[in-house]
Amino acid sequence: ILNVEQSPQSLHVQEGDSTNFTCSFPSSNFYALHWYRWETAKSPEALFVMTLNGDEKKKGRISATLNTKEGYSYLYIKGSQPEDSATYLCAHDNTDKLIFGTGTRLQVFP
Amino acid sequence: DTEVTQTPKHLVMGMTNKKSLKCEQHMGHRAMYWYKQKAKKPPELMFVYSYEKLSINESVPSRFSPECPNSSLLNLHLHALQPEDSALYLCASSQDPGRLEQYFGPGTRLTVT
Repeated sequence: ILNVEQSPQSLHVQEGDSTNFTCSFPSSNFYALHWYRWETAKSPEALFVMTLNGDEKKKGRISATLNTKEGYSYLYIKGSQPEDSATYLCAHDNTDKLIFGTGTRLQVFP
Repeated sequence: DTEVTQTPKHLVMGMTNKKSLKCEQHMGHRAMYWYKQKAKKPPELMFVYSYEKLSINESVPSRFSPECPNSSLLNLHLHALQPEDSALYLCASSQDPGRLEQYFGPGTRLTVT
């Protein structure tokens, strides 16, 4: 993998559903993996910065895991709420800059 | 104050105009960034300022000219832009140039006519 890829591109779920999406990144020159949450017309907001293989981070109902050897990270949202609707961006820190994926656009319907 | 502010929110300019985008943070961050985002594409890094000095220029055309007057302010001067430069321009800052989370502003939506 040469670029940062996120899947799916978009996701529609019902309130209360749990969901997850994937970020794939080059496993070489890895320093950190960032997750951002970006609501429409607002600023991207940092969720997690992950550096260690096997790392797992949690913030409320949102958690993320990291596998640096195979080059992927999962973001999980438990019991999705309408306010979770946003674009979730991951970014690979390859030593001197962040390289972003195109994001997963999540819509949670009441 | 954990906010990065950007002005203006929207800007429409002609190809012969000169305009500037402004970014401000009061978190004492020593690294500041400009990104460009086209529709349905990821944000792409343009410039990085580290301790008020330009440290990274991602081969950006000279019609974009960054300036860091002090540690809290970052400007992007625009001159003779092309319609394909229309995009969302995001500013971000981080505590230092190391691998820490970046705080983003809401962006300036630029349209070049």
